Amino acid sequence: GAVVSQHPSRVICKSGTSVKIECRSLDFQATTMFWYRQFPKQSLMLMATSNEGSKATYEQGVEKDKFLINHASLTLSTLTVTSAHPEDSSFYICSAALGAASNTEAFFGQGTRLTVV
Amino acid sequence: GQNIDQPTEMTATEGAIVQINCTYQTSGFNGLFWYQQHAGEAPTFLSYNVLDGLEEKGRFSSFLSRSKGYSYLLLKELQMKDSASYLCAVGNAGNMLTFGGGTRLMVKP
Repeated sequence: GAVVSQHPSRVICKSGTSVKIECRSLDFQATTMFWYRQFPKQSLMLMATSNEGSKATYEQGVEKDKFLINHASLTLSTLTVTSAHPEDSSFYICSAALGAASNTEAFFGQGTRLTVV
Repeated sequence: GQNIDQPTEMTATEGAIVQINCTYQTSGFNGLFWYQQHAGEAPTFLSYNVLDGLEEKGRFSSFLSRSKGYSYLLLKELQMKDSASYLCAVGNAGNMLTFGGGTRLMVKP
């Protein structure tokens, strides 16, 4: 099946610094990728929809200036957590779909566990 | 708005059958997905239903009733490795998924 690679898998950063997370579709082109956030023992919450060549669409309550998304190519989307704080510590997961059809299976990256100290 | 409900936790015995229910009330519907997620890992795709009825895939089956806003995931011949969270998700326009809270399944010997 299609592969989505997310990097890094784990990152620890100091409060106030910025962290960049990469999401790559390895064997297909993804015009749209999604970024989710997951707190312990909770489900995935959609943060934003990343669109290649245009601005990302953010869900209500997600600060676009804090969570910067760049989808510069058909195979790469990045999420940058700016001025990270301990409450930003979470599991971040990206996903991409093979096509535009609604029944298209979404493939998920491995996830990034962010710890802000 | 979007509302997707599933039980928080379930326990079952190895070799048995378990059914995980999911009810949904959403403004849009482009199919219902089930994902399996082991702790600390990304979700993996299990099934997709867009028409009413039962879809069978090996030990896993998924059922959908659109008129009732109801789906279930059926796991047969449970194995210890099936201990995981099972996420019900509704597909919206543009491949967007809205997830339920997930059901943590514990399989005991």
